[in-house]
Amino acid sequence: EIVLTQSPGTLSLSPGERVTLSCRASKSVASSYLAWYQHKPGQAPRPLIYGASIRGTDVPDRFSGSGSGTDFTLTISRLEPDDFAFYYCLQYGGSPPFTFGQGTKLEIK
Amino acid sequence: QIQLVQSGVEVRKPGASVKVSCKASGYHFTNYAVNWVRLAPGQGLEWMGWISASNGKTSSAQKFQGRLTMTTDTSTNTAYMELRSLRPDDTAVYYCSRLVVVVPAIPDYWGQGTQVTVSS
Repeated sequence: EIVLTQSPGTLSLSPGERVTLSCRASKSVASSYLAWYQHKPGQAPRPLIYGASIRGTDVPDRFSGSGSGTDFTLTISRLEPDDFAFYYCLQYGGSPPFTFGQGTKLEIK
Repeated sequence: QIQLVQSGVEVRKPGASVKVSCKASGYHFTNYAVNWVRLAPGQGLEWMGWISASNGKTSSAQKFQGRLTMTTDTSTNTAYMELRSLRPDDTAVYYCSRLVVVVPAIPDYWGQGTQVTVSS
């Protein structure tokens, strides 16, 4: 089973700043089947990125994903107030079919 | 528009069972699977399993095998997730979502979540 480790656990930043979140896999993620979700308390998780770097529907271009193999990143180029939330990486297509990272909390400084 | 609407808050005692429903609309139900994920307090998202709405095929995380039953009713476009022998650490928000299973894909549209509390 692939274990995903996200870092940091919590990040305190201000609107307008650039942020990079990390997701490291214990084994290579096949075909870059790595996704990122944004989750706000009380709401449904929102898919941001799939295939490591493909933005989902209606996702602003300030969100970008990169990486391959075991190291993946999600970058938000200029934080907006609406971006403060939890972020999870997800590997899919392996066995078991889905594994989430433990999440990164992005909070307003 | 595509929607998945889940049933309401549930409170159970340890050892009991809970059944959460997820009614889909806005897409062809049997062309997809329904995926289940939970979020426990202070924890991250946890995948539980999925069920194909076309043929009932299921896949579930090993830790839930034996306690988890997923079903669908194609006459009402509704999926159900039943978890038995509940423990306090099953307290969580449970989410259903739509999933393509023919090729590796991510859950795209999600329900609003159902709070399940297990307490004596």
